[in-house]
Amino acid sequence: QSVLTQPPSASGTPGQRVTISCSGSSSNIGSNYVYWYQQLPGTAPKLLIYRNNQRPSGVPDRFSGSKSGTSASLAISGLRSEDEADYYCAAWDDSLSGHVFGTGTKVTVL
Amino acid sequence: EVQLVESGGGLVQPGGSLRLSCAASGFTFSSYWMSWVRQAPGKGLEWVANIKQDGSEKYYVDSVKGRFTISRDNAKNSLYLQMNSLRAEDTAVYYCARGGAARDYYGMDVWGQGTTVTVSS
Repeated sequence: QSVLTQPPSASGTPGQRVTISCSGSSSNIGSNYVYWYQQLPGTAPKLLIYRNNQRPSGVPDRFSGSKSGTSASLAISGLRSEDEADYYCAAWDDSLSGHVFGTGTKVTVL
Repeated sequence: EVQLVESGGGLVQPGGSLRLSCAASGFTFSSYWMSWVRQAPGKGLEWVANIKQDGSEKYYVDSVKGRFTISRDNAKNSLYLQMNSLRAEDTAVYYCARGGAARDYYGMDVWGQGTTVTVSS
């Protein structure tokens, strides 16, 4: 039940800044924390951002998260080839009493 | 090293059952909510269920309610997912993850490598 909407793809050249949007509603993003996960090809997801804009230790500061109202975004600055991956936003949904993930965005480094 | 290792996946016929296990190590398992997340072939992530530290609260995605049961054994540092009445649409890689409470500050911060469940005749 993907109730969080993301663009299917995003791309940029090395060094550029890429932004991924995540649109939700008052029952999820509007009232709960947003998380972002990175999934490299063939691997398990990895937590990239927690509590809307916090980075776990080891995540480069090129990755940043923000939230406003019922939307959130992930920005990748100084794009690198190793950033090619699928990115998912997520949040708890009070109406569903469960976590919801975004539809996912595939980032390509040109 | 903090680690989660899933096991128990395999091929099962529609209507069959399977029990997934997740062995935790390197952290105090009994202090964390735990979750199961799945990913169908070529598809996105889907949260399946989570369970509170003492097992007193459990939540499920609608599509598995009444068919799947999440449980844990803190003495064995293990998380489980009992899957009954399996359907073709349950075919996926199933990941175990640390965290995932409703107001979880840190999110699902540790993930296993996944175990594959295939439902087919």
